[in-house]
Amino acid sequence: DGGITQSPKYLFRKEGQNVTLSCEQNLNHDAMYWYRQDPGQGLRLIYYSQIVNDFQKGDIAEGYSVSREKKESFPLTVTSAQKNPTAFYLCASSTRQQYGYTFGSGTRLTVV
Amino acid sequence: AQSVTQLGSHVSVSEGALVLLRCNYSSSVPPYLFWYVQYPNQGLQLLLKYTSAATLVKGINGFEAEFKKSETSFHLTKPSAHMSDAAEYFCAVSDDGRTALIFGKGTTLSVSS
Repeated sequence: DGGITQSPKYLFRKEGQNVTLSCEQNLNHDAMYWYRQDPGQGLRLIYYSQIVNDFQKGDIAEGYSVSREKKESFPLTVTSAQKNPTAFYLCASSTRQQYGYTFGSGTRLTVV
Repeated sequence: AQSVTQLGSHVSVSEGALVLLRCNYSSSVPPYLFWYVQYPNQGLQLLLKYTSAATLVKGINGFEAEFKKSETSFHLTKPSAHMSDAAEYFCAVSDDGRTALIFGKGTTLSVSS
């Protein structure tokens, strides 16, 4: 079955370390998105990409970086510059042939 | 600019009672509207969507929503709550229905027996 795979589901890192969250989709969707979710704050857009080798900053891009070298993959790196990285991270994808987004199951990052 | 406001961050109902989750939107063009559900530590799952066809939209798990242009609302309802409905619900708006979804802050639904 087609879908979005986020890995790992839980991730622990020490403060000051960079960490990369994986997002892979086999839906042949053109656009991919990264959201951060904190209690009571809904979903906040970090980065999005509408085509390979191109991506744009969202509302809270500071301290994060992405790449889009393949259509299927959109990894997110949380750098040491991100002041408060502990959160639940969601990846999503979309296509112009379908309404709405398809979401992955998320990665919970805890920085200690 | 588009925006979504979900009234009430937390709604509590008894099992068997009516569920009503409120969503108001702001859009300068005819909107596409969505409701998503999220269970703990999972991603979001699409419940239903409004794409300018019928104003009353039926979704999965017995949920439905009515688009009311005059009230700029898209409230989510279910006649009889079930324990399994306990989750967080998000309303979203988009001007083309396929990209740039703007999400509300979410409403947590609790269901008591």
